[in-house]
Amino acid sequence: DIVMTQSPLSLPVTPGEPASISCRSSQSLLHSNGYNYLNWYLQKSGQSPHLLIYLGSNRASGVPDRFSGSGSGTDFTLQISRVEAEDVGVYYCMQALQPPLTFGGGTEVEIK
Amino acid sequence: QVQLVESGGGVVQPGRSVRLSCLASGFTFSDYVMYWVRQAPGKGLEWVAVIWFDGNKKYYADSVKGRFTISRDNSKNTLYLQMDSLRAEDTAVYYCARDLHDCSSNNCYLRDYYYTMEVWGQGTTVSVSS
Repeated sequence: DIVMTQSPLSLPVTPGEPASISCRSSQSLLHSNGYNYLNWYLQKSGQSPHLLIYLGSNRASGVPDRFSGSGSGTDFTLQISRVEAEDVGVYYCMQALQPPLTFGGGTEVEIK
Repeated sequence: QVQLVESGGGVVQPGRSVRLSCLASGFTFSDYVMYWVRQAPGKGLEWVAVIWFDGNKKYYADSVKGRFTISRDNSKNTLYLQMDSLRAEDTAVYYCARDLHDCSSNNCYLRDYYYTMEVWGQGTTVSVSS
C-alpha cells in the first residue's frame, strides 16, 4: 500500500500571509503519462470534504487561484498564496494512482 | 444541482449488519464511478470501496474486505454499501462520493485512469456498540 505522510500536523497562519503544506508518498505517483496522481482536499469544520486540486496541480472547479499544487514523484506541496479566514480546516492529500486509495493524516490550518 | 444523499446509518450491535444507501440526483448516475469513504470520530479520511460506472469493477480497503459489499442500481440512481459482521472500529461517518470523470465521454477503462472524488454527500453516521 502507498503510505501518505503530511506535515505539519497543525499550521497556524496569519490572514494575508502565505502558507504551505507538505505531502510525501512512499512510492512515486508519477504516471508514465507524465501526470502526478495526487489530489488535495479540504474539510471545513462540520462539513464534508471537497476537492481542491487533482493531478498534482489542477485546480478543481470553483477553487480560488490562491490555491496551487506542485511537486512530482514522491514530494508534493499545497500552497495558499494569501490565506483568508475561510481557508481554515483540515487539508488532506490522497494518492489517486491505485487501490487501496490512501489519504495523508491531515494538516489542520488555523488562524493565529 | 448535483446532489448525493446518504441514508441508513444508526446504532447497530457488533456482529450485525446494516445497509447504507446513497441517492444521486442532478447528473447521469450510470456514467460515473462511485466511492464510499469513512471518517471515524476525530480521525482522518479512510477510503472504503469504489465501484465502476457499470458495476464491473470493485475494489475494497483491506479493513473491510470480505465484510462489506459495494453495489449500485443504475435504474434507481442509488449506490449501496452492505456492511456485515460489524465491529466497533467501523464506527464512523460514511460519505458517498462521485468521481470526477464522466465515463460516457472518457474511457474509464484506460490504464491512465486516476481516482478523484469530486462530489461528496453530507454523510451518514454508523455507530457500532452493544
